[in-house]
Amino acid sequence: QKEVEQNSGPLSVPEGAIASLNCTYSDRVSQSFFWYRQYSGKSPELIMSIYSNGDKEDGRFTAQLNKASQYVSLLIRDSQPSDSATYLCAVKVGPSGSARQLTFGSGTQLTVLP
Amino acid sequence: DAGVTQSPTHLIKTRGQQVTLRCSPKSGHDTVSWYQQALGQGPQFIFQYYEEEERQRGNFPDRFSGHQFPNYSSELNVNALLLGDSALYLCASSSLGAGETQYFGPGTRLLVL
Repeated sequence: QKEVEQNSGPLSVPEGAIASLNCTYSDRVSQSFFWYRQYSGKSPELIMSIYSNGDKEDGRFTAQLNKASQYVSLLIRDSQPSDSATYLCAVKVGPSGSARQLTFGSGTQLTVLP
Repeated sequence: DAGVTQSPTHLIKTRGQQVTLRCSPKSGHDTVSWYQQALGQGPQFIFQYYEEEERQRGNFPDRFSGHQFPNYSSELNVNALLLGDSALYLCASSSLGAGETQYFGPGTRLLVL
């Protein structure tokens, strides 16, 4: 079983719709969770970080974390064509403040159709 | 405020050669992590440097080595290049004292022929 799993997609949604991206992880002691966006040919760009169970909202983005189910998701409201990219879920094992490695999923490719 | 910088942006090498990639962290950051990203895959952790020491290492052979300088910049060296080393090499910087958020540089795309 992979440590971090994502649906590879591609996921297509119409402009203005809600895009839902999902990620599961295997290590129960995982502490920190991140969503990165990666445009084709570019490097990953941090969108959201979440550390506690529940929802965290930032503009059109909402991250949801459920540690009991080992599940983290990203919702993108009012999706725009500029949101078309690969979304990477990353998990860090270790206590807050420790500079440990990130383990990434393979990414979900999102296409927002005009 | 300068972000993470990497050089060169692109590199073409042949099998058996050696390559050195460079990274300067974001201002105020003291930790540098290196990742390899093959096409269609997520980044894979190579190693991390803090206080000029390798603190953590992923599942990569000894052909991959690194260094961190007193100004926190870092180098990644790969010896005896294989075709399978062709990938995007990413440097991420973070600050040990300010949590674990890692910010990525633009990457170096290496092609081994």
